[in-house]
Amino acid sequence: AQRVTQPEKLLSVFKGAPVELKCNYSYSGSPELFWYVQYSRQRLQLLLRHISRESIKGFTADLNKGETSFHLKKPFAQEEDSAMYYCALSPLTGGGNKLTFGTGTQLKVEL
Amino acid sequence: GAGVSQSPRYKVAKRGQDVALRCDPISGHVSLFWYQQALGQGPEFLTYFQNEAQLDKSGLPSDRFFAERPEGSVSTLKIQRTQQEDSAVYLCASSSALAVTDTQYFGPGTRLTVL
Repeated sequence: AQRVTQPEKLLSVFKGAPVELKCNYSYSGSPELFWYVQYSRQRLQLLLRHISRESIKGFTADLNKGETSFHLKKPFAQEEDSAMYYCALSPLTGGGNKLTFGTGTQLKVEL
Repeated sequence: GAGVSQSPRYKVAKRGQDVALRCDPISGHVSLFWYQQALGQGPEFLTYFQNEAQLDKSGLPSDRFFAERPEGSVSTLKIQRTQQEDSAVYLCASSSALAVTDTQYFGPGTRLTVL
């Protein structure tokens, strides 16, 4: 079975401060990891995924297989980063490409 | 271009009623997914279609839930004899191909409230 854990329901930071949204997973095989974001009154959308190794809107995430983590980081938070963030996992092989989501972290960037 | 659309956006049903939720995926997208999102939770997988074939329905919570995609485009999620625990946002997503790395594009969701 696969599981994604996001320990923080709410994270509040000041503008310009670093941000780290935590994500841990459990899966016996090789997973692909994603971060999805939902801005206020908008639909869920992909922010970034591990396989692309890209930085989107200043966010990065590194897969640490030893710690089974995929934390999302940004060095300087902006007001427009306030949103709900979901970490998600999909098996790379044999499991289809359905997503298993964490419970989400609400990021609030204060001025 | 148009994204994934869902209708209705809001549905209120009395306990015991049947409901049908519609999803229009992005044109040409092969894969279609349904997820259920309860209040305060992340989306949970319900079922997956590849064209018209339902390849995975392991997430459907009971035999009251039924999904179809008869022509490989529009999909309908039907819930029979609704219960209060069915109250949730139902999300549809589509992706262009079959690889796990293909982006799933989500619709706005249908918020179902069962009284």
